[in-house]
Amino acid sequence: GAVVSQHPSWVICKSGTSVKIECRSLDFQATTMFWYRQFPKQSLMLMATSNEGSKATYEQGVEKDKFLINHASLTLSTLTVTSAHPEDSSFYICSARDYLAGVNTGELFFGEGSRLTVL
Amino acid sequence: DAKTTQPTSMDCAEGRAANLPCNHSTISGNEYVYWYRQIHSQGPQYIIHGLKNNETNEMASLIITEDRKSSTLILPHATLRDTAVYYCIVRPSNTGNQFYFGTGTSLTVIP
Repeated sequence: GAVVSQHPSWVICKSGTSVKIECRSLDFQATTMFWYRQFPKQSLMLMATSNEGSKATYEQGVEKDKFLINHASLTLSTLTVTSAHPEDSSFYICSARDYLAGVNTGELFFGEGSRLTVL
Repeated sequence: DAKTTQPTSMDCAEGRAANLPCNHSTISGNEYVYWYRQIHSQGPQYIIHGLKNNETNEMASLIITEDRKSSTLILPHATLRDTAVYYCIVRPSNTGNQFYFGTGTSLTVIP
C-alpha cells in the first residue's frame, strides 16, 4: 500500500514552545490530508482536514490558532502546535488519500504517528 | 460522528478464526464500510472495505448483511500479531472523505 511518513516520531518540549510535525505522502499525491489526535486508551479524534493550497477545515472544538496547519504541496502537510502546554501531550496521526483513487472507494493511508510530550 | 457500534473487547485463540462484529444500523445507501486496525502506538492499518457484497483479501474477509445494517470482519487464522484495536468505520461519500473513528474492539489473541 501507499506510504505516509511522519516526522518526528516523538518529541519532548517545554511548555510555551511551538512544535511542528510533518506529514508526507511518499509515493502518491494527496490533495487532502487529515490530522488526528489520540489520548491514551482512547480512539482517534479527527482534528482537521488539510487541503492543498487552501485553508484547513477544523472540527468543532479544535482551536485553529493553536493547531496551525499548512498544506503547501501535494505531498506535504504540517501541523504546528503553538504555545504547547502539558494538556497538548498526545499522539498525533496524519492520514492521506491518493487523489487519483475513486472518491467513494479510496482508503486512507495513515502515518506512524508522532508522540508529543510537553513538560 | 461515529455511526458504528462494536464490542469493547474480544479474545480469540491463536489459530482460530476471529469474528469481529459491527453494527451500523443507520448506514446510508452509498456509504462504505471500512475496517482498520491499530497496533499499540502505531498508526491505523487498512484491512478491507466494502459496500454491499462480501469481500476477501489476503488479510481478512468482510461479511455485510443483506440489509447492510451490520457486518463482520473475519480473520481466518488469528496469530499473536493480530492483537490490536479494530475499528469499523462507515464513511460518508459526500463530506470530504473524512473518517470518524468509534471506540473499536480490542482483540487479544491468546496463545
